[in-house]
Amino acid sequence: QKEVEQNSGPLSVPEGAIASLNCTYSDRGSQSFFWYRQYSGKSPELIMFIYSNGDKEDGRFTAQLNKASQYVSLLIRDSQPSDSATYLCAVNELNSGYSTLTFGKGTMLLVSP
Amino acid sequence: DTAVSQTPKYLVTQMGNDKSIKCEQNLGHDTMYWYKQDSKKFLKIMFSYNNKELIINETVPNRFSPKSPDKAHLNLHINSLELGDSAVYFCASTKTPGAGYEQFFGPGTRLTVL
Repeated sequence: QKEVEQNSGPLSVPEGAIASLNCTYSDRGSQSFFWYRQYSGKSPELIMFIYSNGDKEDGRFTAQLNKASQYVSLLIRDSQPSDSATYLCAVNELNSGYSTLTFGKGTMLLVSP
Repeated sequence: DTAVSQTPKYLVTQMGNDKSIKCEQNLGHDTMYWYKQDSKKFLKIMFSYNNKELIINETVPNRFSPKSPDKAHLNLHINSLELGDSAVYFCASTKTPGAGYEQFFGPGTRLTVL
């Protein structure tokens, strides 16, 4: 069973700080990695995706991928109270010849004003 | 608006009943999915259809029967509902089933079985 592991949190950070969210995955063949944000009572929405080792930046968000360590992270700079949500790590894997997303259980982020 | 839509948003029913959830996407995507999110917020894939053809069935009880009349619609019918079926069910779609394409999620259907 392929697994995606995340610390459930909550991760509490003050407004303006950097929030660091981590994820590990079990399948070395995984090709692409996604971070979704889910507000309470809402559906997941894509924040970032990353395919290659290293860093990928988009505004206040930076995704980091280390395939050798099977580790992917999301950094949120200048955290805002509106960033308070559950962040889901998802890994793209092959299933019956088609790609599917396997999600971690999510990390709850709380940003205090 | 281009989106993935689901009906109903809320569904409350008694054990043993049969119910359906409908999903439609107007994004022109080929692949659609059903996910179940339990009370612990764990989002787990149930089914995937590509161009109306079932491609993934993740060990879901056969009380759950998806139906795709066309590639824009994927409905979920559940027979003999059980307490453990209570969850939020999300429909999603993607451009292709290949690696790397974003999945767009519907607003979810909160099913409560009493």
